Amino acid sequence: GAVVSQHPSRVICKSGTSVKIECRSLDFQATTMFWYRQFPKKSLMLMATSNEGSKATYEQGVEKDKFLINHASLTLSTLTVTSAHPEDSSFYICSARDSAPYEQYFGPGTRLTVT
Amino acid sequence: TQLLEQSPQFLSIQEGENLTVYCNSSSVFSSLQWYRQEPGEGPVLLVTVVTGGEVKKLKRLTFQFGDARKDSSLHITAAQPGDTGLYLCAGAHNNAGNMLTFGGGTRLMVKP
Repeated sequence: GAVVSQHPSRVICKSGTSVKIECRSLDFQATTMFWYRQFPKKSLMLMATSNEGSKATYEQGVEKDKFLINHASLTLSTLTVTSAHPEDSSFYICSARDSAPYEQYFGPGTRLTVT
Repeated sequence: TQLLEQSPQFLSIQEGENLTVYCNSSSVFSSLQWYRQEPGEGPVLLVTVVTGGEVKKLKRLTFQFGDARKDSSLHITAAQPGDTGLYLCAGAHNNAGNMLTFGGGTRLMVKP
C-alpha cells in the first residue's frame, strides 16, 4: 500500500509556543490530505481537509487560526498548532488519498504534549 | 452528520475464539474501509468494500458489505494475540468529497 510519513513522531513543547507537524506521501501524489485528532481510547476525529494549492476546509468547532494548515505541494501538508495549550495535547494523525477514490492511507501519528 | 455505529466497543476473548464486529448506519456509503490501529501508531488499511453484498477474505478475517451498503461486518476466525488492537470502520460518501466517517472503534484484546 501507499506510504505516508509524519514528522515528528513525538514532540513536547511549552505552553504558548507553536509546533509544526509535517505529513508526506512518499510514493504517490496526494491532492487531498486529511488531519485527524485522536483522544485516548477513542476513534479519529476529522479536523480539516487539506487541498493542494488552496485553503483547507475545517470541520465545525475547529479553529482555523489555531490549527494552521498548508498544503504547498502534492506530497506535503503541514499542520501548525499555534500558541499551544495543555488541552491541545493529543495524538494527531494525517492521511492522504491516492488516485483510488475511496482509500486513505494514514501516517504513523504525532504525539503532542504541551506542558 | 452521518453516523456510523460500531459494536461492540470492547471485546476480550481467548485465543482460538471467533468474533464479529459490526458497523451500522442509516446512510448509504459509496465504499467502506476497515482499519486496524495499534497503540501509538496510525491506522492501517485492511480492506475496502465497494459493492453491496460484497465479501472479502484476508486470511482469517472476513469482511462483508451489506446489500444496501449501509452496514458492514468483520469476522475473525480463531483469533490470535496478534489480532489485538483497535478496529475501525470508515464509510465514504461520493457526494462528500469521499471524506471518511469513522465508527467509534472496537478495542479487541485476545488473551493467550
